[in-house]
Amino acid sequence: ELKVEQNPLFLSMQEGKNYTIYCNYSTTSDRLYWYRQDPGKSLESLFVLLSNGAVKQEGRLMASLDTKARLSTLHITAAVHDLSATYFCAVDAATGRTQGGSEKLVFGKGTKLTVNP
Amino acid sequence: GAGVSQSPRYKVAKRGQDVALRCDPISGHVSLFWYQQALGQGPEFLTYFQNEAQLDKSGLPSDRFFAERPEGSVSTLKIQRTQQEDSAVYLCASSLWGVLSTDTQYFGPGTRLTVL
Repeated sequence: ELKVEQNPLFLSMQEGKNYTIYCNYSTTSDRLYWYRQDPGKSLESLFVLLSNGAVKQEGRLMASLDTKARLSTLHITAAVHDLSATYFCAVDAATGRTQGGSEKLVFGKGTKLTVNP
Repeated sequence: GAGVSQSPRYKVAKRGQDVALRCDPISGHVSLFWYQQALGQGPEFLTYFQNEAQLDKSGLPSDRFFAERPEGSVSTLKIQRTQQEDSAVYLCASSLWGVLSTDTQYFGPGTRLTVL
């Protein structure tokens, strides 16, 4: 059974600092997603990572994937208050596809990030 | 529409009542998913449709939960004889599917169900 673990679960940062959120998963998968959720809101897609060594960046956020270690990281550079939210990684439970869309996602518990002035 | 919509946004039910939650996916999206999110937790998979076919219902917690998508578009999640442990946010997501390896699930705003 696929299990996804995130750490830390809570993160309080000062503006301008850097930090990394880690996502480990227990079985092979060919897709990993990062989502952001603001309080009382739904999930917003940030990144889709498909292959070993994949790196994607958007603004102050950068995500990477190491499929051999079954590890993804979300790195925050020079944090600003607007980044305060809960960040989830999610792993697609389907494997062995040659094509086709996403299927069942297994989510981590989320990392609640607070960026303080 | 522009995004996934869900209704109602909030639902309060007395224990034992039946409820029906609606999801309108993004137009043209083939796949539709239901997730349950308890307070302070990540979403948990309930069920998945491709067009009108329910391909995976392994996450439905009991036979009180039933989902349908009869015409391959709008979906309804029904919970019979609600219990307090059913209180959660129910999220619907849709995706385009097809041959896109970067297929992303787009989430709706959710229905917050409170069972008294």
